[in-house]
Amino acid sequence: GAVVSQHPSRVICKSGTSVKIECRSLDFQATTMFWYRQFPKQSLMLMATSNEGSKATYEQGVEKDKFLINHASLTLSTLTVTSAHPEDSSFYICSASQLSYNSPLHFGNGTRLTVT
Amino acid sequence: RKEVEQDPGPFNVPEGATVAFNCTYSNSASQSFFWYRQDCRKEPKLLMSVYSSGNEDGRFTAQLNRASQYISLLIRDSKLSDSATYLCVVNQAGTALIFGKGTTLSVSS
Repeated sequence: GAVVSQHPSRVICKSGTSVKIECRSLDFQATTMFWYRQFPKQSLMLMATSNEGSKATYEQGVEKDKFLINHASLTLSTLTVTSAHPEDSSFYICSASQLSYNSPLHFGNGTRLTVT
Repeated sequence: RKEVEQDPGPFNVPEGATVAFNCTYSNSASQSFFWYRQDCRKEPKLLMSVYSSGNEDGRFTAQLNRASQYISLLIRDSKLSDSATYLCVVNQAGTALIFGKGTTLSVSS
């Protein structure tokens, strides 16, 4: 079946540094990938929609200059958390679908970011 | 009103019990419906899609009522391994999935 690979699975960084998270679709081409964030005991919240070859679409309240998204190929999207702060500590999950709609998403394993 | 609302939970049931989760969604343009399962500190995994006619997969039965904008999941003969958070998920054509907050199920022996 379709697989989405996300790396790293866990990262601890100091406040002020930047962290890059990679999301790869391993056996299908994903023109669109989605980035979610989940705080403890909260639901998954969509941060942005990553479109191959064009700018990402950010949800309201998500700073595009802080969460840089690059979707340079049909199998890779990256999320960079710039100048991370402790409040950015969260579980970040990417997802992709083989079709544009009406198909369930396949999720990466998630990245647990801890900013100290 | 939140886009997807679920039973608050948690549900604590003994093995073998039958348990039902409910979910309502606010956007009448929603076209696709799913139940996902999420284990603690893990990514969500698709449990089953929900079809208009209702569908069953083993011990799991999903129902959709478009008129009432209501989705349900029934789990029969609960197992210890069913303990998890169950997420109600909807989307419209070409958009990302919208997740409910989830309902936690704890099955005990």
